[in-house]
Amino acid sequence: EPEVTQTPSHQVTQMGQEVILRCVPISNHLYFYWYRQILGQKVEFLVSFYNNEISEKSEIFDDQFSVERPDGSNFTLKIRSTKLEDSAMYFCASSEPGEETQYFGPGTRLLVL
Amino acid sequence: AQRVTQPEKLLSVFKGAPVELKCNYSYSGSPELFWYVQYSRQRLQLLLRHISRESIKGFTADLNKGETSFHLKKPFAQEEDSAMYYCALHNDMRFGAGTRLTVKP
Repeated sequence: EPEVTQTPSHQVTQMGQEVILRCVPISNHLYFYWYRQILGQKVEFLVSFYNNEISEKSEIFDDQFSVERPDGSNFTLKIRSTKLEDSAMYFCASSEPGEETQYFGPGTRLLVL
Repeated sequence: AQRVTQPEKLLSVFKGAPVELKCNYSYSGSPELFWYVQYSRQRLQLLLRHISRESIKGFTADLNKGETSFHLKKPFAQEEDSAMYYCALHNDMRFGAGTRLTVKP
């Protein structure tokens, strides 16, 4: 069964550094999402992406965040200048057109020191 | 404000006992509610959604618009049901805080 994959599984970075989190959505899916979960807190929506543009974003998704679909398979989340409070588990998800169900990746645990 | 509330962070039951994980929502329109489950060291995955009215792994959830609830129920809990359960309102991508269910032998 096809799955959403994410790399890396863990990333440690210094405050102020840029990080890129990568996701490979399920191949026939056209809607892509990023969520984050700070340790001990709820899953929070960051952004949704469709047709090569952001369709919706939350108040968390400020100017230091960006998303991109650089090729036909990858979907990336870039954090330009990481802060300590960006430490979290980041989940990617994808869904088919006309289908509400989102399929989640295993997550990337980001630790900002 | 649109939000999803799961009042119990932790829930512990014995195997074979009924279990109910509570979810209340606040949404002005017609809600699209889902339950997601995350087993230990596995990814978040869909458990069920209100629109399909299905039963997955013995779990059911009924949308009660009068009480603005979408509680997840199972009549006889199994040890393998131990996991984190998240209620989600897909209309604005909001998740509840999650309930950790532990089913004891």
